[in-house]
Amino acid sequence: DTAVSQTPKYLVTQMGNDKSIKCEQNLGHDTMYWYKQDSKKFLKIMFSYNNKELIINETVPNRFSPKSPDKAHLNLHINSLELGDSAVYFCASSQGLGNTIYFGEGSWLTVV
Amino acid sequence: EDQVTQSPEALRLQEGESSSLNCSYTVSGLRGLFWYRQDPGKGPEFLFTLYSAGEEKEKERLKATLTKKESFLHITAPKPEDSATYLCAVSYSGAGSYQLTFGKGTKLSVIP
Repeated sequence: DTAVSQTPKYLVTQMGNDKSIKCEQNLGHDTMYWYKQDSKKFLKIMFSYNNKELIINETVPNRFSPKSPDKAHLNLHINSLELGDSAVYFCASSQGLGNTIYFGEGSWLTVV
Repeated sequence: EDQVTQSPEALRLQEGESSSLNCSYTVSGLRGLFWYRQDPGKGPEFLFTLYSAGEEKEKERLKATLTKKESFLHITAPKPEDSATYLCAVSYSGAGSYQLTFGKGTKLSVIP
């Protein structure tokens, strides 16, 4: 029943590791996003993926790479994890860019 | 310079004490203004979208209004279950890809 689901919910890993977060939406939307929420609860866009077009936020390090096998899935792969990558990562979707976005429950990443 | 500013950062209200949260924006070409509610450990939950100045929307004890420079989220006779962080976001043509840009939120605590 969950509209936007992401896994895992919690992830604790060591510096230098590579990890992935998976996201799926069953809303039939054509656009998906990854947002990062820092310790101060500020939500910042990382990527958006609309009809096979990837829109990259320039402030995101290239260690972060989104992969979308189809319109319903957008996974986030992170290489060489750093302490500063610790945050909550939210997947979201919308019908068209700039329209109402629906969020998943978040993935809590802790890098130690 | 922040494009979306929310005030106050935190607000404590007694149960039944009505108040308003503010979201001011400096973007041009506003496409939509969005209000979300976020509970601890959860993803943002969509509340309202406003598209043009003068528009108002209501849901239970919440009423959102929009002018050319700001939006207010009015909370009438709040209850403890209204305690959450309220996030404002804007979609605008200057963003190129119409991505939602979020404010830093207002943390509302309603005391019984």
